[in-house]
Amino acid sequence: KQEVTQIPAALSVPEGENLVLNCSFTDSAIYNLQWFRQDPGKGLTSLLLIQSSQREQTSGRLNASLDKSSGRSTLYIAASQPGDSATYLCAVNFGNEKLTFGTGTRLTIIP
Amino acid sequence: KAGVTQTPRYLIKTRGQQVTLSCSPISGHRSVSWYQQTPGQGLQFLFEYFSETQRNKGNFPGRFSGRQFSNSRSEMNVSTLELGDSALYLCASSLSGTVDSPLHFGNGTRLTVT
Repeated sequence: KQEVTQIPAALSVPEGENLVLNCSFTDSAIYNLQWFRQDPGKGLTSLLLIQSSQREQTSGRLNASLDKSSGRSTLYIAASQPGDSATYLCAVNFGNEKLTFGTGTRLTIIP
Repeated sequence: KAGVTQTPRYLIKTRGQQVTLSCSPISGHRSVSWYQQTPGQGLQFLFEYFSETQRNKGNFPGRFSGRQFSNSRSEMNVSTLELGDSALYLCASSLSGTVDSPLHFGNGTRLTVT
């Protein structure tokens, strides 16, 4: 069964720190992996998309990496800010035009 | 460029009723997907449409159905509502599907079944 896991479920860090969010998946035959953030009561905002042929993608203070052989991806957030507080979701495209989502990591940045 | 628009934002229905949710994708996007989000099950795939054709369907009962129109707008219908159908229903669009392009989500329709 193709599954996506995100640990920990919740994380609190002081403002200004760098942090890493983790995502693991059970099947290395993926098309791509996408990171999203979700604010309470809102939809998902796409952060980064990594194709299976890529090792990493960067956007501003965000950097996502992909290691298919180990079934892992990380989202690195540099110099965290209170506005980064949200739930971060990892979604893997195993094919068939659908994404399989992890359960997310709820991130709180402490001012 | 306008984002994905979902209407209505909130719905309250009674068990046994049916409901129709609407989604307007980003202009130029031809693929529309629907997901259900609940606290217990997280985000689960419902179905995906491209050029008015359903290309994939998730593991949901036949009470859940959808369609896509020639202008790429999509609707989702749930018949004979059950309490467990209470959820946030999210629509997402992409240029041609999930292989080549990222998904862009709307803010969702919050459905409450009483």
